[in-house]
Amino acid sequence: SQTIHQWPATLVQPVGSPLSLECTVEGTSNPNLYWYRQAAGRGLQLLFYSVGIGQISSEVPQNLSASRPQDRQFILSSKKLLLSDSGFYLCAWSVLGTGGNTEAFFGQGTRLTVV
Amino acid sequence: GQNIDQPTEMTATEGAIVQINCTYQTSGFNGLFWYQQHAGEAPTFLSYNVLDGLEEKGRFSSFLSRSKGYSYLLLKELQMKDSASYLCAVKDSNYQLIWGAGTKLIIKP
Repeated sequence: SQTIHQWPATLVQPVGSPLSLECTVEGTSNPNLYWYRQAAGRGLQLLFYSVGIGQISSEVPQNLSASRPQDRQFILSSKKLLLSDSGFYLCAWSVLGTGGNTEAFFGQGTRLTVV
Repeated sequence: GQNIDQPTEMTATEGAIVQINCTYQTSGFNGLFWYQQHAGEAPTFLSYNVLDGLEEKGRFSSFLSRSKGYSYLLLKELQMKDSASYLCAVKDSNYQLIWGAGTKLIIKP
């Protein structure tokens, strides 16, 4: 069966510090991978998605970047965090392809607080 | 632009029935999803509709009308554990999920 691991679960970082959140998927090959951010009381905002190693699409210009160094590894980074980067970050995967009924499966999420 | 609307918050009584509505305007349509999200946790998949009509799955049912750009999630025999946010999401013409802000459902004894 497929599983997705995302860590850490919570993180408190000072303004200006770097960030690295990691996500790995097991039990599937060549998945679509996603990073979302969810502000309190808001919907999910797609930040980045990837359809393959080294292929990153950015949806929203921001202080963040993403990388996919391996097939089942997706990393969200920042060189200098801003207060506005605080939020709930979710990694997700779905099967490769354009099938309509391919739902997204989410990691546990990372609660990031920038202070 | 693309838009998905759902009520911000709803309150219902344990054992009752509640209907959560979702209307959407997207560039293309390739299916509608409902997810449940408990506070502080990741969303979990509930249902998928791509054709008009009702899909039933235990206590939960989801309905879709593509001509009206409308869906609802029906929860029967409400339990306290159903207290959560319910997210509506639509796959657009690029097969990307567009998300609503979610409906916070409060269940009272």
